[in-house]
Amino acid sequence: KAGVTQTPRYLIKTRGQQVTLSCSPISGHRSVSWYQQTPGQGLQFLFEYFSETQRNKGNFPGRFSGRQFSNSRSEMNVSTLELGDSALYLCASSPTGAGTGELFFGEGSRLTVL
Amino acid sequence: GQQVMQIPQYQHVQEGEDFTTYCNSSTTLSNIQWYKQRPGGHPVFLIQLVKSGEVKKQKRLTFQFGEAKKNSSLHITATQTTDVGTYFCAGSGATNKLIFGTGTLLAVQP
Repeated sequence: KAGVTQTPRYLIKTRGQQVTLSCSPISGHRSVSWYQQTPGQGLQFLFEYFSETQRNKGNFPGRFSGRQFSNSRSEMNVSTLELGDSALYLCASSPTGAGTGELFFGEGSRLTVL
Repeated sequence: GQQVMQIPQYQHVQEGEDFTTYCNSSTTLSNIQWYKQRPGGHPVFLIQLVKSGEVKKQKRLTFQFGEAKKNSSLHITATQTTDVGTYFCAGSGATNKLIFGTGTLLAVQP
């Protein structure tokens, strides 16, 4: 069974640009969660989607948005990038939801903002 | 909002010594999960605890969930170099939002 796939793995952007990250969950998993990981802040919850609906949202500004498609693939978008957005963005899938059982993480997308 | 803190932030041990990390939530949890992240890797699920006072063991790892369901601990007996990594707890409350703790980085000296 294929794992969670995130693309791209690495990317470099400049301030003010926008970025879209993609996550393909494990087949059959309907929940996709996104986390931002930085050395100083640990793993910060961004949002969770379940069957194309946003189920939960973390405390991030509106520049961070996401969506989920009918095949459960998810994208997150960050607009007007700031230096502080440099981080590893992790996506995780689950069959029932982030708060109810095991999360399966992808390798992450490492974003550098210059 | 819900916050989950872990102590210590960093622990350095000699191989063979024991290690414990503690997790405390500001709110009562419905369940708690533990993950391990190797350097350069992604978090990998270890276990989930659901019941008040629950204790689970996986070989040298012992996990506990507090009676009040607001704290948890992970204890590793006789650490090995393969135990190196960051250990995260993650708690879920009434909203089913999974909030990760701040993590404990474990270094093991051979």
